[in-house]
Amino acid sequence: EPEVTQTPSHQVTQMGQEVILRCVPISNHLYFYWYRQILGQKVEFLVSFYNNEISEKSEIFDDQFSVERPDGSNFTLKIRSTKLEDSAMYFCASSRGDIQETQYFGPGTRLLVL
Amino acid sequence: DAKTTQPTSMDCAEGRAANLPCNHSTISGNEYVYWYRQIHSQGPQYIIHGLKNNETNEMASLIITEDRKSSTLILPHATLRDTAVYYCIVPSDYGQNFVFGPGTRLSVLP
Repeated sequence: EPEVTQTPSHQVTQMGQEVILRCVPISNHLYFYWYRQILGQKVEFLVSFYNNEISEKSEIFDDQFSVERPDGSNFTLKIRSTKLEDSAMYFCASSRGDIQETQYFGPGTRLLVL
Repeated sequence: DAKTTQPTSMDCAEGRAANLPCNHSTISGNEYVYWYRQIHSQGPQYIIHGLKNNETNEMASLIITEDRKSSTLILPHATLRDTAVYYCIVPSDYGQNFVFGPGTRLSVLP
């Protein structure tokens, strides 16, 4: 069964450094998402992406964040200058369609900012 | 904020059916009910979804009341591996993001 994959599984970085989290969505899916979950808190939506453009983003997704689909398979989340409060699990998801389509989530990347 | 209300936690004996309720009294006619679960800090796992009719798959059954204001997820024979946080989500019919509430923490006890 196809699944969303994410790399790395864990990332430790120093405050102020740039990080890139990578995702390979399910191959025939057209919509891609990033969510995050701070330890002990709810899963929060960050951004959705379709046809090489951001289609929706939350207040969390500020100028420090960017997303890209650099090739036909990868979908990346870049945090330009990490802060301590960016420490969280980051989940990528993908779906075939947009409104009310099932989203399939990857296993996540645990980001720790020191 | 999430448009659903779920109990904070529930216990279930191993081998018994786990019935997880969810209230979604403001659901509109075109909005689906989705259920996901999260084991530890793993990625949310899709379980099942439905619009009006009851649904069943290899993981669970979903019972939606006739007025669609509430639903119940049924795990027919809970195992220890079903211990997880279960989320009932009603995605907006105009937005793309899934809003996760705190969910129900289900503990399956031996």
